Amino acid sequence: DAGVIQSPRHEVTEMGQEVTLRCKPISGHNSLFWYRQTMMRGLELLIYFNNNVPIDDSGMPEDRFSAKMPNASFSTLKIQPSEPRDSAVYFCASWPPPGGGTGELFFGEGSRLTVL
Amino acid sequence: GIQVEQSPPDLILQEGANSTLRCNFSDSVNNLQWFHQNPWGQLINLFYIPSGTKQNGRLSATTVATERYSLLYISSSQTTDSGVYFCAGGDNYGQNFVFGPGTRLSVLP
Repeated sequence: DAGVIQSPRHEVTEMGQEVTLRCKPISGHNSLFWYRQTMMRGLELLIYFNNNVPIDDSGMPEDRFSAKMPNASFSTLKIQPSEPRDSAVYFCASWPPPGGGTGELFFGEGSRLTVL
Repeated sequence: GIQVEQSPPDLILQEGANSTLRCNFSDSVNNLQWFHQNPWGQLINLFYIPSGTKQNGRLSATTVATERYSLLYISSSQTTDSGVYFCAGGDNYGQNFVFGPGTRLSVLP
């Protein structure tokens, strides 16, 4: 398997622009997580999905952030409008169902976002 | 909510030395995992260890779930072990994984 795939790897945009980050989980994994990593706050869980349904979005910082998972193989995290304080590395991770794997949480390589 | 703490926050070792990293977690934590974030930012899963002991080469981990802690042992450290080590735990449903603040390890040649 190719692992968790994220795109883009790097994004530089200007304040006010819309940003869309994409994630393809490992095939057969039914839980998907979006994290944000900054020096100040570490790794923060933004939202997670189980069987394509958002279970907990309490970590989403504000209404400018939204996430979708239209099917088992694709998820997006959208920021609209973006602000400089959104600059961070955004990680996607996936997790297998009970009995469906080793129980390990696997991460993509991250999308580094810079908002000018 | 879930609480995950790690110690020490920073660790500097000479190549060849051994080390122990600690993770304390709250009652509601399950599915404990250890990760290594390398200097390029990649997060690599080292162990899924809800309880018991596992070993993988020079690394081993032990989780004592009844006492709410886990330990990561690194033996004969190498410069490539440098980076940040995180532990993370899920909630009662095994999800909602929360990460600790990490231990930054520097192994000097």
